Amino acid sequence: GAVVSQHPSWVICKSGTSVKIECRSLDFQATTMFWYRQFPKQSLMLMATSNEGSKATYEQGVEKDKFLINHASLTLSTLTVTSAHPEDSSFYICSARRAGGQSWDQETQYFGPGTRLLVL
Amino acid sequence: GQNIDQPTEMTATEGAIVQINCTYQTSGFNGLFWYQQHAGEAPTFLSYNVLDGLEEKGRFSSFLSRSKGYSYLLLKELQMKDSASYLCAVGQAGTALIFGKGTTLSVSS
Repeated sequence: GAVVSQHPSWVICKSGTSVKIECRSLDFQATTMFWYRQFPKQSLMLMATSNEGSKATYEQGVEKDKFLINHASLTLSTLTVTSAHPEDSSFYICSARRAGGQSWDQETQYFGPGTRLLVL
Repeated sequence: GQNIDQPTEMTATEGAIVQINCTYQTSGFNGLFWYQQHAGEAPTFLSYNVLDGLEEKGRFSSFLSRSKGYSYLLLKELQMKDSASYLCAVGQAGTALIFGKGTTLSVSS
């Protein structure tokens, strides 16, 4: 299998607080993890690409100081939304790409179940 | 630039067959993916094509023509639970998948 988990699944916080979201690949090692944001009825928007042991690569327009990404191991990446504001309320989804395996599988991204963030 | 086009919405009835088209123009190509996403949930992997032709997997089939930059996802014997968004995505070696905006399929009885 290729199972990716995210924690928490739901978070409600006050404006100005920081929120940490964990993304774990449960039964495989992930060379690369990706973080997406999705607003209602809109498509997935890639925020950043995270490689284990190196700095994340952020997409244009995504503030790296606001969205801190740490990829400490081949099975764990974290996204911290610092000083969250209501406009950061969204559905945050991570995905992971498997290390090794057949060539097609190395390209496939397996998604976590997502984290719904509501900032009051 | 990178461009992936697919229809925004489609409707169909239970038991019918529906074909969701996707055209792409990307700087690189390392496979064409289809994902299904139910409302409020994360996408789930459906299929992968890297060679031209049809790949069949149960009620779902996916087709690719690299020369035409074209793919389709074929859903047979539609069920209500197939109501979802279907995302076409292009893989490029070493980078994230490039997603289309998705096609919202509504299946009615």
